This record gives sequence, structure tokens and C-alpha cells, in this order.
Amino acid sequence: DQQVKQNSPSLSVQEGRISILNCDYTNSMFDYFLWYKKYPAEGPTFLISISSIKDKNEDGRFTVFLNKSAKHLSLHIVPSQPGDSAVYFCAASAGNNDMRFGAGTRLTVKP
Amino acid sequence: NAGVMQNPRHLVRRRGQEARLRCSPMKGHSHVYWYRQLPEEGLKFMVYLQKENIIDESGMPKERFSAEFPKEGPSILRIQQVVRGDSAAYFCASSPGSGRTYEQYFGPGTRLTVT
Repeated sequence: DQQVKQNSPSLSVQEGRISILNCDYTNSMFDYFLWYKKYPAEGPTFLISISSIKDKNEDGRFTVFLNKSAKHLSLHIVPSQPGDSAVYFCAASAGNNDMRFGAGTRLTVKP
Repeated sequence: NAGVMQNPRHLVRRRGQEARLRCSPMKGHSHVYWYRQLPEEGLKFMVYLQKENIIDESGMPKERFSAEFPKEGPSILRIQQVVRGDSAAYFCASSPGSGRTYEQYFGPGTRLTVT
């Protein structure tokens, strides 16, 4: 069962514009959400997270928004840079050890 | 401070052989997690270990797969009698523990190919 879904396998944006990556989840017990970034031949690296008690968390160019009623979160990257080109994974946890990952969205930022 | 290390990076095994994947956590981290990524899919949790203890193995296949994290040395994910469906990238992550299990730092992964 896929409790975390990233419905867009890929996204292409122009350098300097906004990138919006989306993630939906089904388990209402999830209380912590994370975004990871992955380059080829490397492991995922933590990018930004948000607790279910918040609806927004910002870190530099990266902002994560959480809409609990819609069970939806999004990652905004502004402005997008070519170095942001990677696969982005959304992950969610219900406070246990089992972190569920989405299938990933491949972001390409064109110069 | 060295990151999470995994070896080998690539492993080729014939059907029926055994695969051993090693993971050395970050210095000071006592919690290790193993994930598997099948082609075109996200990472799937397999097992969570602390030193000498398996805390949660709910994501591990019931047969052929085992994991350990001994008092000394790396964590080992062992797959016996591999089949083609075991071909995947296996990632290890470590965390400081003590309630900070969300802070997981990933290794570069081991890509297992079963021929």
C-alpha cells in the first residue's frame, strides 16, 4: 500500500523560476514530514522537514507547506538553480521507526 | 566527521548465492536503518537496529533476509539464496537515536544485481 504518493515523476523548470513539488498521503497518523534530495549514485540527503503542528516551514530558498485537511504537502524552491536538479523524495512518519517514502520526482532546472 | 559508509557499492550475485551488505554508521550514531529501493519506486523501510538489538523488522521479508548490528563492527544486511527480484539499491541510514530518529543520514547505497 502506497501511503505516500508523488504523482509527478518529473518536473522541468527554468532557472530562476519557482519549482513546486507535490506529495499526498493517506495515513492520518503521520505527524512528521520530510523532503530528501538525491543525486545519482548517492544516498538521499535531508533537505527540510515539518511537524504536523505547523503548516509552513522555511529554510532559505526552500519552503515546505502542509495542508493537513487535504493530506497534502508541497516543496517550493525559489529561485530554482541548475544545482537543484535531482530526485526529490517526500517522506512521512507516524512517530515510529517506519518512515514511508514516495516514489520521487525528478526535477530538472534548465539554465 | 565521515558520513555513513556502505560497501560494496556494487554487488553482483548469481541466483542462489548469498549477498552481504555492510553499513558503518556516522560516528556517534547508534541507530541504523536499512531501506530498499526497487526501480521506479521510493525507498521502502526494511529494518531498524540498535547495537546488538533488532528494534523493528516489520519491513523485512520473512525469509532469506536477516540483519545484525554487532557491538563491534558494521551493520550487516544478509540475503541468502538471492533471486532476481532482490535486485535493487539498498540504502543504510543512521541516526543519533535518543528520540531523534527523524534525523536519518543516508549512505551512498549498495546496488545489488542478481544474474
